[in-house]
Amino acid sequence: DQQVKQNSPSLSVQEGRISILNCDYTNSMFDYFLWYKKYPAEGPTFLISISSIKDKNEDGRFTVFLNKSAKHLSLHIVPSQPGDSAVYFCAAIEPGGKLIFGQGTELSVKP
Amino acid sequence: DTGVSQDPRHKITKRGQNVTFRCDPISEHNRLYWYRQTLGQGPEFLTYFQNEAQLEKSRLLSDRFSAERPKGSFSTLEIQRTEQGDSAMYLCASSPTDPTGEMYEQYFGPGTRLTVT
Repeated sequence: DQQVKQNSPSLSVQEGRISILNCDYTNSMFDYFLWYKKYPAEGPTFLISISSIKDKNEDGRFTVFLNKSAKHLSLHIVPSQPGDSAVYFCAAIEPGGKLIFGQGTELSVKP
Repeated sequence: DTGVSQDPRHKITKRGQNVTFRCDPISEHNRLYWYRQTLGQGPEFLTYFQNEAQLEKSRLLSDRFSAERPKGSFSTLEIQRTEQGDSAMYLCASSPTDPTGEMYEQYFGPGTRLTVT
């Protein structure tokens, strides 16, 4: 049973435009979420996080939005750059700090 | 700070053989996690340690899998009698915690890619 879902396996965006990556979760007990970015042959790299007491967190070009009633979060990248091309994972934290990951969305930013 | 390191980066083994992977976390991090990632999926949690104590191992995939962190520093993950279905990327991550239990993001190593032939 997939508790964290990323239903779009891939996304293609033009350089300079906005990238929106989506994530849904089923467990209403989750109270902390993270986004990771992964390049081939490397481990995931932390991008940005959000606590359930907030509905938005911003860090430079990256903004994460959380809609608790819909059990949905999204990552916005503005403006998108070719170097942003990677696989993006959303994750929820369980007690003990264990991460429950979605399946990932491969973002391709075209010049 | 050299980050989280894992050794080896790649391992090819024949079915039935035992394999052991090593993870060296960031030195001041007291939590260490193991994950497995298969193609097209996100990392899947296996087990974790707080210092030398293994706090959860129920999600290790079978009794062929075991992990240790004997002195609270590096950790090893062993797979006995490997099967072709064990072929995957094995990722290690570490994080600090503070006395209040505040959570911090996990820092991942580059992973060990296992191929079982």
